Order: sequence, then C-alpha cells, then structure tokens
Amino acid sequence: DVQLVESGGGLVQPGGSLRLSCSASGFTFKNYAMSWVRQAPGTGLEWVSSISGGGDGTCYADSVKGRFTVSRDNSKNTLYLQMSSLKTDDTAVYYCAKDRASGNYQTPRFDPWGQGTLVIVSS
Amino acid sequence: EIVLTQSPGTLSLSPGERATVSCRASQSVSGSYFAWYQQKPGQAPRLLIYGASSRATGIPDRISGSGSGTDFTLTISRLEPEDFAVYYCQQYVSSPVTFGQGTKVEIK
Repeated sequence: DVQLVESGGGLVQPGGSLRLSCSASGFTFKNYAMSWVRQAPGTGLEWVSSISGGGDGTCYADSVKGRFTVSRDNSKNTLYLQMSSLKTDDTAVYYCAKDRASGNYQTPRFDPWGQGTLVIVSS
Repeated sequence: EIVLTQSPGTLSLSPGERATVSCRASQSVSGSYFAWYQQKPGQAPRLLIYGASSRATGIPDRISGSGSGTDFTLTISRLEPEDFAVYYCQQYVSSPVTFGQGTKVEIK
C-alpha cells in the first residue's frame, strides 16, 4: 500500500522558517511527481508546489513563489518543502500528495494524500 | 488561471437520495482533465474521479462523474451514510491546477 507521512509542522513566528518532510513508501518514488497542497482552517484546498520525479522540474503557486522551495531525495524516498518568510496567511494543514500516474508534474492529479501536518504562523 | 465554481455550496439530503454536485470552469477544460475528491472531517481528501468520468481504485459504482468543456457533474446515485462529506472538483489541464471551493453534502 502507498503511504505518505508528513512531519515538521508546528508554530512559527511571522518571518520565520520551517521545513516540512514527507516520507513515502509502497511505490517507486523516483517515478512519480509529488506535490504539496494546503488547506487553511475551515477553507478549501490550495495547490502549493509540485516537483518532477527526477527533481529537475519544479513549479509554485504565485502565493508562495520566492518564499517556498520544494525538493526531494529519491535515495531516501522523501519530499521536502522549505518555507521561509512565513506569513500568517500560510497557516494551514499541509498535505503531500503523489501524482496518480507518471504524468506531467505541472498538471498533477493527487492520489493518494498524506494525513497532513499543521503549520501555524503566529506571534 | 482557470477558476472553478461549484454549486450548490451545501446539499441537504437523506440517505438513499440522489446527490448532484456541479462544477463550472471559467475556461474549457480540454481532454477531460478533471477530477473530484471527497473529504471527511479530520481526514485528507481522497480521489474519487479522474478524467472527468473514470472512477479511482475502490470507488463504488454509485459514484459517477460526467461532463466536458466547462460543465462537470458528480453524481451519487443513492447516498450511503459514509457519503456525507465535502466534495471538491479540480482541473489539471493547465498550471496552476485549481480546485473548486467545495460542496458540503449533509444529512437532512
């Protein structure tokens, strides 16, 4: 079974930094694009960033471009999201998700999703 | 960016009834690059439908998707207790991929 387990969330002050991790198992990690999707409290889903299977292609939502960096370590089957210059608007549950098929990392379908990790940006 | 607008915002129905959720795109979604997700309280979303009408693994056949161009529909033919949840549509024809704002299907 495919498993995705996020970690690294927590409370951080505005302007601070945080690194999220997503540990993957149950599939050939390097063959699939991976993404981060977030959900602010009581609201809907917002795509944040995606990365190609080999790690050489990345894309970001305008709301996080220049502040967040997605990366992956295929030897460790782990996806990362480095978040800096955090704002209160970044408060959300952050989900990692696998692309359903070996498709274009810029236009993923998300299947499955991890359980999420909560990031709270507050002073 | 393609904007997706779901209707209604909330659907109040009884078990056994039919649920129909609509999603309209601001531009044509060619090739049916369209998906639906279900999210229950405290849980991650789950893929239900991709390619506008293909069911994901393990999704029962009472759940179906249809549509093309700018208008898409998710139908649950007979609501089971486990179907009461929030449903989101998503387009993946162009970047950035976008979601609808969600439709809550609640017990009447």
